[in-house]
Amino acid sequence: GAVVSQHPSWVICKSGTSVKIECRSLDFQATTMFWYRQFPKQSLMLMATSNEGSKATYEQGVEKDKFLINHASLTLSTLTVTSAHPEDSSFYICSASERVVLEQYFGPGTRLTVT
Amino acid sequence: GNSVTQMEGPVTLSEEAFLTINCTYTATGYPSLFWYVQYPGEGLQLLLKATKADDKGSNKGFEATYRKETTSFHLEKGSVQVSDSAVYFCALSGRNAGNMLTFGGGTRLMVKP
Repeated sequence: GAVVSQHPSWVICKSGTSVKIECRSLDFQATTMFWYRQFPKQSLMLMATSNEGSKATYEQGVEKDKFLINHASLTLSTLTVTSAHPEDSSFYICSASERVVLEQYFGPGTRLTVT
Repeated sequence: GNSVTQMEGPVTLSEEAFLTINCTYTATGYPSLFWYVQYPGEGLQLLLKATKADDKGSNKGFEATYRKETTSFHLEKGSVQVSDSAVYFCALSGRNAGNMLTFGGGTRLMVKP
């Protein structure tokens, strides 16, 4: 149980285009989803926290107009990188949490490369 | 605020060697503590956890004990295998932090046959 999927697993896009990454909880209802960014050989950096049906809470320094997060249902959250630039290239990981459980369940990650 | 400090890697060991990866934390109250493992190109997998002082988390031969007096949660394994090669992250979750995790910097483990 407690499986989280991400799609796509990797994507290459051209500079200036937008990319959408999906995060789904497959066998539980995720009241809270988290989006992280990970640079090579570094730790995870929390970008934002989203609760179903409400606006995401962004961490300091994360541009909310550039990284659009939608958590429209209890099983799906999306991260859209708008007007992507090469410096947005990174590994993006989502996680999901149930209301009464302290644990976060992580997706397999999405590698974004902007050329 | 909360913070997690873990030993820098890489840690290189021979197969069947004993492993210790140190982790210390700073937090208010009584956080839950976690170890996650990340294999190359993959997301994080929960390895073990402990939710209160003196609890010992264990899984797949790995162990870690929640030491409140030393604010530590060191990861140990008695005999590592090549398949244990990965990056290990220590993390904490504050009770009042809405399940938010604070991660350490990660420690890369390389096990040689």
